[in-house]
Amino acid sequence: ETGVTQSPTHLIKTRGQQVTLRCSSQSGHNTVSWYQQALGQGPQFIFQYYREEENGRGNFPPRFSGLQFPNYSSELNVNALELDDSALYLCASTVGSGWAPDTQYFGPGTRLTVL
Amino acid sequence: AQTVTQSQPEMSVQEAETVTLSCTYDTSENNYYLFWYKQPPSRQMILVIRQEAYKQQNATENRFSVNFQKAAKSFSLKISDSQLGDTAMYFCAFIGGNKLVFGAGTILRVKS
Repeated sequence: ETGVTQSPTHLIKTRGQQVTLRCSSQSGHNTVSWYQQALGQGPQFIFQYYREEENGRGNFPPRFSGLQFPNYSSELNVNALELDDSALYLCASTVGSGWAPDTQYFGPGTRLTVL
Repeated sequence: AQTVTQSQPEMSVQEAETVTLSCTYDTSENNYYLFWYKQPPSRQMILVIRQEAYKQQNATENRFSVNFQKAAKSFSLKISDSQLGDTAMYFCAFIGGNKLVFGAGTILRVKS
């Protein structure tokens, strides 16, 4: 157990809908990163939040957005869902500036299915 | 571009034997870390071992050890005395800033 929690565990949506996924970081961690893991593949970096500001973004369209709250928990929002958005969404937390490499600890993930 | 390559899609090993998973990476960073993560069917990504690039000594965690060859950009994972609970997908990952870059993974099956 890493102390990183995510909700919900599973989610089913239809194409065109919007979804919000939530992540609570490990105690003492101020940086949260989000990853998308398609079936049978390695996770892909979506973006990172450090002290409530976006601190780097991967190759994902603007319909993927996020927030980080003062308690360092975070949300991932996806608008206009597409079938290819079906994946396991992982969040990971760490402590630090975000610009220095450090170990990231992962939550159990949210399985999103888009029909 | 930063890339991580795992050339073995699947591996099998008998219980109690030793297995080595391969990983190569490419980066121009000087300060970086390398990791092996394990993802069992429960899908929780679990840190197995990490290596700081500035350390020449190979990291070891109980039955898990790495062979880190910085010049060759190689980072293999050795699992000794394999156990049934080691069955999982193993990901090699690199971080040189704020994002982890993962390989495609190697499925490891431990057979009794």
